[in-house]
Amino acid sequence: GNSVTQMEGPVTLSEEAFLTINCTYTATGYPSLFWYVQYPGEGLQLLLKATKADDKGSNKGFEATYRKETTSFHLEKGSVQVSDSAVYFCALTQGGSEKLVFGKGTKLTVNP
Amino acid sequence: DTAVSQTPKYLVTQMGNDKSIKCEQNLGHDTMYWYKQDSKKFLKIMFSYNNKELIINETVPNRFSPKSPDKAHLNLHINSLELGDSAVYFCASSQGSEETQYFGPGTRLLVL
Repeated sequence: GNSVTQMEGPVTLSEEAFLTINCTYTATGYPSLFWYVQYPGEGLQLLLKATKADDKGSNKGFEATYRKETTSFHLEKGSVQVSDSAVYFCALTQGGSEKLVFGKGTKLTVNP
Repeated sequence: DTAVSQTPKYLVTQMGNDKSIKCEQNLGHDTMYWYKQDSKKFLKIMFSYNNKELIINETVPNRFSPKSPDKAHLNLHINSLELGDSAVYFCASSQGSEETQYFGPGTRLLVL
């Protein structure tokens, strides 16, 4: 079945550091890939997505590129802020009205 | 305007009780979902409804019964609550072949 593997957390960085959170997936066909973010005490928000190979999703300074050859969708940000502290979830889905399959989440803490 | 709303936000109850969580979306979407997030932040699909019809039913105890009175609502009723039901329950919605799912703020259930 489909699955998503994320790097284990927690990740602790200083402000303005470079962020990478690794995500790889296993799926048949061509899934759509997502990053969701969960700020403390809140629900999930879509951060970015990519629906086909080589697409790059970007939002709020975060980027991720859909790499079919390595089945990866790594999340990157050049300079993190304290306000980026949250749990980040990589996820995939195939087709409309289909369930999201989530990775286990990576907790990011950014210190001033 | 809140796109996907859930009530209640917090629910503390005793083992053996029956409780309901309500979800409403005002996005005009035709598909709604329930996800469970455990204490380790792991998210997993429970149910999905499309146009009031059940389309995904993962391995969930039959103490959990979803009900969709109309396209905009998907409620979750839980009978005979157990300690292991303590979790955060998220409702989400999407539109047809549009794969992005929009999440509610979550309902934090604590069973004592």
